[in-house]
Amino acid sequence: GAGVSQSPSNKVTEKGKDVELRCDPISGHTALYWYRQSLGQGLEFLIYFQGNSAPDKSGLPSDRFSAERTGGSVSTLTIQRTQQEDSAVYLCASSLVTQTGWFRGAFEKLFFGSGTQLSVL
Amino acid sequence: RKEVEQDPGPFNVPEGATVAFNCTYSNSASQSFFWYRQDCRKEPKLLMSVYSSGNEDGRFTAQLNRASQYISLLIRDSKLSDSATYLCVVNRLEGAGNMLTFGGGTRLMVKP
Repeated sequence: GAGVSQSPSNKVTEKGKDVELRCDPISGHTALYWYRQSLGQGLEFLIYFQGNSAPDKSGLPSDRFSAERTGGSVSTLTIQRTQQEDSAVYLCASSLVTQTGWFRGAFEKLFFGSGTQLSVL
Repeated sequence: RKEVEQDPGPFNVPEGATVAFNCTYSNSASQSFFWYRQDCRKEPKLLMSVYSSGNEDGRFTAQLNRASQYISLLIRDSKLSDSATYLCVVNRLEGAGNMLTFGGGTRLMVKP
């Protein structure tokens, strides 16, 4: 597609239910990031996929959060047993690392999807 | 201490004013730097990369001071359409990939 696509755009769920958020990155982009943003706050890093490497999960706030990226393309972020504090906009971004070697990643432009607004009641 | 820090503002300025934002980062291993712009309820979009020599794009000038670990963004002749949140982003290598860390953003409101 032309850009990063996320679905659903809005999700309202009840506390304790599981949710799945989907991200379809730009074709050919090797890197995929998940961030979340609470109202009026900055972006909080969640997880990062780069090619076939093991994902960097250091930002996941608890073991209720998990993500996978199948075939190096589409990614799904799953939140189990949702809590009210999980309410936020979940943003996915992809990028094409333009350099390799010691200079790799020096000019990495992120393309963001429009996000999924998650509301946990 | 947060890895990337910004004054949240808001900065309220009249049209035509010059306004500057600073951003500090704590990790000296950081390699590349960016400013993103985020409009209300929209996704962030790249405004400009920041190079050591400083760079300019029209009314926007970005500077990097590695010794003091800060980045700046200068906006000249502010327009109403410049009203947005400006996010400082710092990139460093982490294992096999890149760790992009966002500051909390600085909100700019340009008034007529």
